[in-house]
Formats: sequence, C-alpha cells, structure tokens
Amino acid sequence: EDKVVQSPLSLVVHEGDTVTLNCSYEVTNFRSLLWYKQEKKAPTFLFMLTSSGIEKKSGRLSSILDKKELFSILNITATQTGDSAVYLCAAPYNNNDMRFGAGTRLTVKP
Amino acid sequence: DTGVSQNPRHKITKRGQNVTFRCDPISEHNRLYWYRQTLGQGPEFLTYFQNEAQLEKSRLLSDRFSAERPKGSFSTLEIQRTEQGDSAMYLCASSLSDRSVYTFGSGTRLTVV
Repeated sequence: EDKVVQSPLSLVVHEGDTVTLNCSYEVTNFRSLLWYKQEKKAPTFLFMLTSSGIEKKSGRLSSILDKKELFSILNITATQTGDSAVYLCAAPYNNNDMRFGAGTRLTVKP
Repeated sequence: DTGVSQNPRHKITKRGQNVTFRCDPISEHNRLYWYRQTLGQGPEFLTYFQNEAQLEKSRLLSDRFSAERPKGSFSTLEIQRTEQGDSAMYLCASSLSDRSVYTFGSGTRLTVV
C-alpha cells in the first residue's frame, strides 16, 4: 500500500538549534516528493524534490531526496520561534492525488 | 487576494444537519482537490476535479458526501446528515496540472455537536 511516514511526530527545540525532519515513502510510480509547512490553517509549499542527491535550499531550510533508500530530510538551521509549525511531507500517486504523512509538529522555544 | 478561498472558515452544526462548504480556486487552475484533516494527522484525499469533471473519489467519501464543480470554477462540498465523526478541517487545493504544486486554502473547520 502506498504510504508516507514521517518522524519524529513531534519535536521541541530551543531557538538556534538545528533540526532534521524525516520522511520515508513507498509510492507506486514515484514522481516527486513535496514538503509543506502548516501553521494555523493552510499548508504552504516549501520544496518539491524529484532528483536524488540534489539539495534544495531556501534560507535556513534545505531538503534532499534519496530515491534509492526512499526517504527525504528537511533541515532547518538556526531555528526561530516562527519556525514552529507542522511540517508535512507528501508524494503524488496514481497521477491524481497526493498522499500526505501525518506531519512533524515542531515547537521552537525562545 | 488571488489564492484559494474557502468559506465559511468555521461551521458548527448539530448532528443530522446538512452542511455545504465552498471553495474558490486560483482562476487559471483546472484541477481542484478536497482533503480532510483531523487533529494530529496529515490531509487525507477525498476527491478531485479536472475542470467540471469529478475524476476520482476516495473510499473515505461516503454516500453522505457530494462534491460539485458545475462550471469548472468554484466547487462545493456537501455533507448530509452530519455525524460527530465528520468533525474535521476540510481543505481545498488547486493546481494547474497533475504535476504542479498544490495551493491550499485556509480550510473550513467543521464541528458537529
């Protein structure tokens, strides 16, 4: 069965720490893996990864995909309280819809 | 604001009542998706439209649920005879194609009492 599994489910850190969020997947006809950030309501897009080994960066956030081992990581360096959110990993399957993981709830304490 | 718009933001209803939610996607997006999200879980796929055609429905979408997108623009999701288990956030998303990033709306939070 197609699935996306994220770990840890929750994480509490202090400002300035670096965090690594994990996402493993088993998806038929894999095309891409996406990361979203969800604060209060709408998930907002962070990254789309299609190729192994190529790191995508946006400020303090970066992500990489390993298609051989079927996982991706999302790194956040020098965390800030504004990084507190649920981070969702997702992969399209069946050409029609996206399968989401349960998310990692990140809490950054001042 | 040219993002995905959902109304209402919150809905509280009594068990057994019918509710209808609306989603206005980004205008040039021909794909529209409905997802349901419960506490501590990621969004779960319900159904999607390409233009006005509803092309797939999840097993999660019982007979009490119906979605429409009559003119290929806005969509409505109706839940008949609501049950407490229907309480969730209902998210709408749109995309330009099946290979495009989804843009989500802020969701409608349904509470069935």
